[in-house]
Amino acid sequence: KAGVTQTPRYLIKTRGQQVTLSCSPISGHRSVSWYQQTPGQGLQFLFEYFSETQRNKGNFPGRFSGRQFSNSRSEMNVSTLELGDSALYLCASTLRAGRMNTEAFFGQGTRLTVV
Amino acid sequence: AQKVTQAQTEISVVEKEDVTLDCVYETRDTTYYLFWYKQPPSGELVFLIRRNSFDEQNEISGRYSWNFQKSTSSFNFTITASQVVDSAVYFCALTNTGNQFYFGTGTSLTVIP
Repeated sequence: KAGVTQTPRYLIKTRGQQVTLSCSPISGHRSVSWYQQTPGQGLQFLFEYFSETQRNKGNFPGRFSGRQFSNSRSEMNVSTLELGDSALYLCASTLRAGRMNTEAFFGQGTRLTVV
Repeated sequence: AQKVTQAQTEISVVEKEDVTLDCVYETRDTTYYLFWYKQPPSGELVFLIRRNSFDEQNEISGRYSWNFQKSTSSFNFTITASQVVDSAVYFCALTNTGNQFYFGTGTSLTVIP
């Protein structure tokens, strides 16, 4: 069965622009979470979506937003990009939210570079 | 608050040596889950093991073994007879009943042939 698919894999943007990243979870998985990975801050939780609703949000500014569609695919958007937004953005897919009875499967990530 | 500490930033071992990666966690929850993930250069986090707070039974899976001790809040991971393909960054993670993971800072393992 297909794994978690993140597109694009690599992205270069200019400061001030906005960007949209996409994540397709494993078929049947309804929960999608997003993480930012940087050398300085490590892996940090951005937000989690389940059944098209944001269930949890990390400590990131409002420039970071997301949504989930009825087919469980999720997108995250970063507006007014800053140099510090350069990072690997990872998406995690789990079978259900609330009861942690399964592991989270991660995609290969989108490496965003802001210049 | 939840916190995971991986004190070892980088470890180098010679192939076939055993290596233990340390993980210490903090949480006030009585129900929680601990994970180990491996991150190769490709970037994807590869799931290795999950343990819940009620299951302190240690586990061995091939060359991998895990030692979970609630008394010391530790969840250590050992690779026996290490191989070059084991070179990667290893992350310990904690979550409660939600899907928000708290990751350690990772341990970069290099296995030298």
